[in-house]
Amino acid sequence: QTVVTQEPSLTVSPGGTVTLTCASSTGAVTSGYFPNWFQQKAGQAPRALIYSTSNKHSWTPARFSGSLLGGKAALTLSGVQPEDEAEYYCLLYYGGILVFGGGTKLTVL
Amino acid sequence: EVQLVESGGGLVQSGGSLRLSCAASGFTFSNYWMNWVRQAPGKGLDWMANINQDGSEKSYVDSVKGRFTVSRDNTKNSVYLEMNSLRAEDTAVYYCVRGLVDTVGIDCWGQGTLVTVSS
Repeated sequence: QTVVTQEPSLTVSPGGTVTLTCASSTGAVTSGYFPNWFQQKAGQAPRALIYSTSNKHSWTPARFSGSLLGGKAALTLSGVQPEDEAEYYCLLYYGGILVFGGGTKLTVL
Repeated sequence: EVQLVESGGGLVQSGGSLRLSCAASGFTFSNYWMNWVRQAPGKGLDWMANINQDGSEKSYVDSVKGRFTVSRDNTKNSVYLEMNSLRAEDTAVYYCVRGLVDTVGIDCWGQGTLVTVSS
């Protein structure tokens, strides 16, 4: 069974920078896994942020960026705002099926 | 404006069946893959199934293969999830989600419909 692993929780100060990562139990994450990232605030449906590793949707704030880092997919938030406090999920492609990571709870404190 | 509106959720007994519907608007429905994603109370997201533009290709997560069936009707701009042999662990909010064009991924989400399976 394929497992996608994210940090359970991270804390960042307002205005700071934080990187969330997404690892695959099958090995290094590459562009062929088409990493997607999503933000979910309490009581709301998720919102897409990043697709195909580093591409932003038209609504994605500029402070969010995606990359590959050390064999993992990564989501970096630069100049964090209080409204960025949320749960963040990555999604990887495994040849026909999609698997979400367990999510990272980001606290802005 | 892209809109996805799920319906059909509710309370069902273990072993029962339910059919979820998702009505799409604001885009050319027949051009997109469509997905179903669920979220158990207080838990993370789980991708369940998807279907291609004309309904000829479908994929499922192992835990629902043989129990859930995804289908679509492009004349009604709708996608469906038929759920049989429901278990307590299928209790979740079920989201209808649009696939991306020309690459892998998903973008627009509905607000979800709650399915509760009582044991």
